[in-house]
Amino acid sequence: EAQVTQNPRYLITVTGKKLTVTCSQNMNHEYMSWYRQDPGLGLRQIYYSMNVEVTDKGDVPEGYKVSRKEKRNFPLILESPSPNQTSLYFCASSRNREQYFGPGTRLTVT
Amino acid sequence: GDSVTQMEGPVTLSEEAFLTINCTYTATGYPSLFWYVQYPGEGLQLLLKATKADDKGSNKGFEATYRKETTSFHLEKGSVQVSDSAVYFCALIKAAGNKLTFGGGTRVLVKP
Repeated sequence: EAQVTQNPRYLITVTGKKLTVTCSQNMNHEYMSWYRQDPGLGLRQIYYSMNVEVTDKGDVPEGYKVSRKEKRNFPLILESPSPNQTSLYFCASSRNREQYFGPGTRLTVT
Repeated sequence: GDSVTQMEGPVTLSEEAFLTINCTYTATGYPSLFWYVQYPGEGLQLLLKATKADDKGSNKGFEATYRKETTSFHLEKGSVQVSDSAVYFCALIKAAGNKLTFGGGTRVLVKP
């Protein structure tokens, strides 16, 4: 089954404790991206990757890092999480501009 | 920059009622337009899309027509069901790119 998977689905952590949210797709898509969803703001792009070793900032990249060492994986790294990064995070992969979303990761930073 | 504006919710309807969710956009060139749906506890699913002016996207009884003259892509369904309760997002992608620009989302609640 074609899908995008994310882990963990839920995470509660404390300010400053580094964390990684994993994202993997099995569709051999070159383009992948991360979004955060906040009430009333829709989804905003954090980072995207056009292919392996090619990443770039989206609209709200501050406080986040990404890497793309393999085509299928695109982890999101929060080196020092802060409460304003409490949000619902979605990974997506894309072919021909049609995007496929993962199930989401709900992150709470206290 | 590009932007998408959609009506705020929540929209509360009775089963079999007619649903309209307004969506307008600002973008240069000729973007592709999308409606995504998010059911409770799930990720986003593509509902329908249109890639050029006057195209009509349709799926699961939902329709939306790409109106370049009014820069709009309103979503409609003639007879909603309880299972249509979800959050609906309008979005665009510019002609040369992959980044989705989303509206704020509209929550729809259908009551039996």
